[in-house]
Amino acid sequence: EVVMTQSPLSLPVTLGQPASISCRSSQSLVVSDGTTFLSWFHQRPGQSPRRLIYKISNRDFGVPDRFSGSGSGSIFTLKISRVEAEDVGIYYCMQGSHWPFTFGPGTRVDIK
Amino acid sequence: QVQLVESGGGVVRPGGSLRLSCVASGFAFTTSGMHWVRQAPGKGLEWVAFIRHDGSSKFYADSVNGRFSISRDNSKNTVYLQMNSLKIEDTSLYYCTKFGAGWGKGTMVTVTS
Repeated sequence: EVVMTQSPLSLPVTLGQPASISCRSSQSLVVSDGTTFLSWFHQRPGQSPRRLIYKISNRDFGVPDRFSGSGSGSIFTLKISRVEAEDVGIYYCMQGSHWPFTFGPGTRVDIK
Repeated sequence: QVQLVESGGGVVRPGGSLRLSCVASGFAFTTSGMHWVRQAPGKGLEWVAFIRHDGSSKFYADSVNGRFSISRDNSKNTVYLQMNSLKIEDTSLYYCTKFGAGWGKGTMVTVTS
């Protein structure tokens, strides 16, 4: 199975400042038609997860534009341009290019 | 709006069985693939299983393959997860999800002797 890694695993951030999370896969996530199924999820404390980004860089409906995704192949990044208080929680990347799907270990974001 | 309501969790002995259900509403269930994802207490997310909209294909995590079975009844807008030969390490909150469309609140499965 494809192993997903994330760094850092813990990210203290300052409100209003940018933040960045890296995600790597053990093999390329590009499938035969050129699509890359890499998603980002956010889970607030005590809540169900919510998908933020799909296919590397596409924001889901209602996701603020301060969130952006980038990358290619096996290296990906989630960026928050200006962190707000509601952004705390755990962020997970997930690959959907190869069965079985796999999640990264998660990055815990909290406010300094 | 999208609603996913899981049920069927509980406490079971190792080796036992449970069947989880997830009733969906607010989106085109009959044309949607569905996933189960679990989260052990204090741990990260683990993808468990997927079923295509018509049930024609099913995929499983290595950790549950051969023990869990996913199915659906499109006439009832419901997806199921039959869990057999349960192990202590299957203890988790089990979510039903269509990923971008929404997640349920989950149903807790506790496997303990």
